[in-house]
Amino acid sequence: GAGVSQTPSNKVTEKGKYVELRCDPISGHTALYWYRQSLGQGPEFLIYFQGTGAADDSGLPNDRFFAVRPEGSVSTLKIQRTERGDSAVYLCASSLTGGDNEQFFGPGTRLTVL
Amino acid sequence: GQQLNQSPQSMFIQEGEDVSMNCTSSSIFNTWLWYKQDPGEGPVLLIALYKAGELTSNGRLTAQFGITRKDSFLNISASIPSDVGIYFCAGRRDDKIIFGKGTRLHILP
Repeated sequence: GAGVSQTPSNKVTEKGKYVELRCDPISGHTALYWYRQSLGQGPEFLIYFQGTGAADDSGLPNDRFFAVRPEGSVSTLKIQRTERGDSAVYLCASSLTGGDNEQFFGPGTRLTVL
Repeated sequence: GQQLNQSPQSMFIQEGEDVSMNCTSSSIFNTWLWYKQDPGEGPVLLIALYKAGELTSNGRLTAQFGITRKDSFLNISASIPSDVGIYFCAGRRDDKIIFGKGTRLHILP
């Protein structure tokens, strides 16, 4: 079966632009997570969805970051007015029902803001 | 910010050697996790630990959950070339996973 997929794999944008990053979780997984991994660091939690709703968005760094999951499957992470400091790998993970279930990670989208 | 201290930051070893890396936290976690990340990929779960004092093996990998719930170690025995990569310790808090900075393992030819 297919794992978590993320598109695009790489995104280069200019400072001030808007970007959207897409995550396709494993089919049937109700829980979906976004993490951000800066160079030389471990992934840092951004937001967690249970179904269509954001159950915990405490990791979003500021109001330029927003994520949606309108049908409880695919999720989009949206970043407005990008800054050079937003450059990182954005990882998506999904798990069957959340909680202690294993989170399976996608390969990530590498975002570079020039 | 990160709450887990992972050491060493990097290791250079010969193929066949055993490896040990550890992780400490300033706060308690109920679940400790060890992941491996290859270039261009997301982290993959190696071992999950749920009970203080628990010692768990997965093939050549062994990990222990410290009694205080604030530390864990991972051992890799008889290293092979495909063990190269970055190893992360992580603790689960609610539905978040909090990662250490990673230990980068290099295997010398």
